[in-house]
Amino acid sequence: EAGVTQFPSHSVIEKGQTVTLRCDPISGHDNLYWYRRVMGKEIKFLLHFVKESKQDESGMPNNRFLAERTGGTYSTLKVQPAELEDSGVYFCASSQGLGSGLAKNIQYFGAGTRLSVL
Amino acid sequence: AQKVTQAQTEISVVEKEDVTLDCVYETRDTTYYLFWYKQPPSGELVFLIRRNSFDEQNEISGRYSWNFQKSTSSFNFTITASQVVDSAVYFCALSTPFFAGGTSYGKLTFGQGTILTVHP
Repeated sequence: EAGVTQFPSHSVIEKGQTVTLRCDPISGHDNLYWYRRVMGKEIKFLLHFVKESKQDESGMPNNRFLAERTGGTYSTLKVQPAELEDSGVYFCASSQGLGSGLAKNIQYFGAGTRLSVL
Repeated sequence: AQKVTQAQTEISVVEKEDVTLDCVYETRDTTYYLFWYKQPPSGELVFLIRRNSFDEQNEISGRYSWNFQKSTSSFNFTITASQVVDSAVYFCALSTPFFAGGTSYGKLTFGQGTILTVHP
């Protein structure tokens, strides 16, 4: 079974440009999360989709960030316009549907997209 | 608010040594989950273990063991007889599970990570 896939693995852009990150979750996983790690600090939550709906976007830094999950499958995270402080590693994770079972509360992560804004 | 602290930024050991990674957490929730993830050089976060708040039994899986103590809000991770392949960044994390309710369920709060280097 394929894991969580993210691409690109690395993106280098200039300040003011637009970048779109993509995440393909594990097939059948309703929950999709985006996280970000900035320069050796802790990994921080950005937002959570349940299927195609945004369940919690309390971690989104500002309105330059736009996340979508059309059809409840893959998700995109667009940064427009990018700023220097947006540099970091963006992780995507997915988990099964709601419930108390063990598997349904484990998030499986991709390898991340390293974004460098120059 | 939830918080996870991994006080050890970097640990360096020689192969076959035992090593313990510390994790201390803060939460007001009575029901919560604790996790450990490993990030090898390839970059992805690999799930190692989940522990729920009402199960304080220690767990052992091969060379790995976890010590969960609610009294000290700690969830420490020990690698016995470390190997070079154990070299990675290890993250401790906390979440409120879906069935506990609320609007922020499921999201993980991470510690800063501990870089473990095992030398041959």
